Amino acid sequence: RKEVEQDPGPFNVPEGATVAFNCTYSNSASQSFFWYRQDCRKEPKLLMSVYSSGNEDGRFTAQLNRASQYISLLIRDSKLSDSATYLCVVHNAGGTSYGKLTFGQGTILTVHP
Amino acid sequence: NAGVTQTPKFRVLKTGQSMTLLCAQDMNHEYMYWYRQDPGMGLRLIHYSVGEGTTAKGEVPDGYNVSRLKKQNFLLGLESAAPSQTSVYFCASASGGAGQETQYFGPGTRLLVL
Repeated sequence: RKEVEQDPGPFNVPEGATVAFNCTYSNSASQSFFWYRQDCRKEPKLLMSVYSSGNEDGRFTAQLNRASQYISLLIRDSKLSDSATYLCVVHNAGGTSYGKLTFGQGTILTVHP
Repeated sequence: NAGVTQTPKFRVLKTGQSMTLLCAQDMNHEYMYWYRQDPGMGLRLIHYSVGEGTTAKGEVPDGYNVSRLKKQNFLLGLESAAPSQTSVYFCASASGGAGQETQYFGPGTRLLVL
C-alpha cells in the first residue's frame, strides 16, 4: 500500500463548479499535512497546510480526519486558472525521516469554459 | 532574490555517462532535498541534507550521490547513468525540518538517458 494515495483523476469540471479531492495516508504517526499545486511542466508550490480543525483560504477549504487518516481539498467556484495537478503531502517527523515529505501521485484538475 | 535555481534545465546522456546536477538557494535555508518525479509515481525523495556538510539517504538513493559543501548548494551526482534514471529532478529547500516549514522547489531538470 502506498503511504499517500490519491485519486489521479482527471477531474474535468466547468467554470464555477465545486470540486473535491480526497487523499488517504497509511502512517498514523504522520504529523503535518499539506496540499501542493503543480502546473504543467512546472515545480510544485505550497497551496495550503491542513489542520485538524480544518482551514479555509478564499475558495479553498482543507479538512483533516485523523481517525480515518483522510485529507480533503474543496475548491469552490472553480476558475480556469485552477487547472493543475494537486498533490497531497504528508510529513512524518522524528528519527531519520526528520523533515521528509511524502507526496501522493497527484490529482489532475481541468477547468473548462 | 532568485529562490531555488537548478542547472542544467535539460540534459541528454548516454548510458554509462556521468553528470552533476546543481541546486542553489539564496534563502539561507538549512534543509535541502533532491526528488525525482516519474509519471504515476509522484515525487520521491532521493537524498536530503539538514545542514552544510551533512547528507542522508531518502527513499530511492541507489545510483546517486550528493554533496553539501556549501550551505547554499546541494549537488546531485550520477556516476553511471542508466535509462531508469530518466526523470524530472527537483531540488527543494526549507528553513527547518520540523514539518511546518514550506519547501520551495526549483524549476526542475529534465534528464533523458539513452
